[in-house]
Amino acid sequence: GAGVSQSPRYKVAKRGQDVALRCDPISGHVSLFWYQQALGQGPEFLTYFQNEAQLDKSGLPSDRFFAERPEGSVSTLKIQRTQQEDSAVYLCASSPGGGRVSKRSYEQYFGPGTRLTVT
Amino acid sequence: GNSVTQMEGPVTLSEEAFLTINCTYTATGYPSLFWYVQYPGEGLQLLLKATKADDKGSNKGFEATYRKETTSFHLEKGSVQVSDSAVYFCAPLSGGYNKLIFGAGTRLAVHP
Repeated sequence: GAGVSQSPRYKVAKRGQDVALRCDPISGHVSLFWYQQALGQGPEFLTYFQNEAQLDKSGLPSDRFFAERPEGSVSTLKIQRTQQEDSAVYLCASSPGGGRVSKRSYEQYFGPGTRLTVT
Repeated sequence: GNSVTQMEGPVTLSEEAFLTINCTYTATGYPSLFWYVQYPGEGLQLLLKATKADDKGSNKGFEATYRKETTSFHLEKGSVQVSDSAVYFCAPLSGGYNKLIFGAGTRLAVHP
């Protein structure tokens, strides 16, 4: 079946521009995560949704970062007034369950990522 | 919170060599543990997992055993192939809403 998709795959923004990154999770998946992966590093957690509720946004680096998932499916990560340090790959992942449904529900499936370059 | 330390790369091996990539973690409780792989130009793929102490996860010839006493989850493969060249990430689940905590990744290069 279809996996997690993200768009655009590549985005070049001038410093100060706003960008919006889209994630389409696997259909029916309750949980959705955003991660940021800097060059040569492991992904770092940004934020988590359970259905439409944003339950954890502790990883968002500044108030320029904003995420939403209004209908509990597609999610958008928005970065306002982009800075060079925002250059990274932004990864979206979804998983079947929320809360403590079962161990299997913890498996996260990743999209291909959006590579953002801020010039 | 949980954290993870991975063996630094790059690891360079000849085809059919034995592979070990070390991973140790600190955690509250006994989190599920994962290995993800990232092939060049592709997204992260789940390689294997273990959900409790002494569990062995395995997939595509790779294995890792959840060692509670040493808080380790080392990745092994008996005979690597050129197609195994990729970056490997060890990741325990954090508590609460089950975010993954990733190591820095270990790049593996396998030569014919």
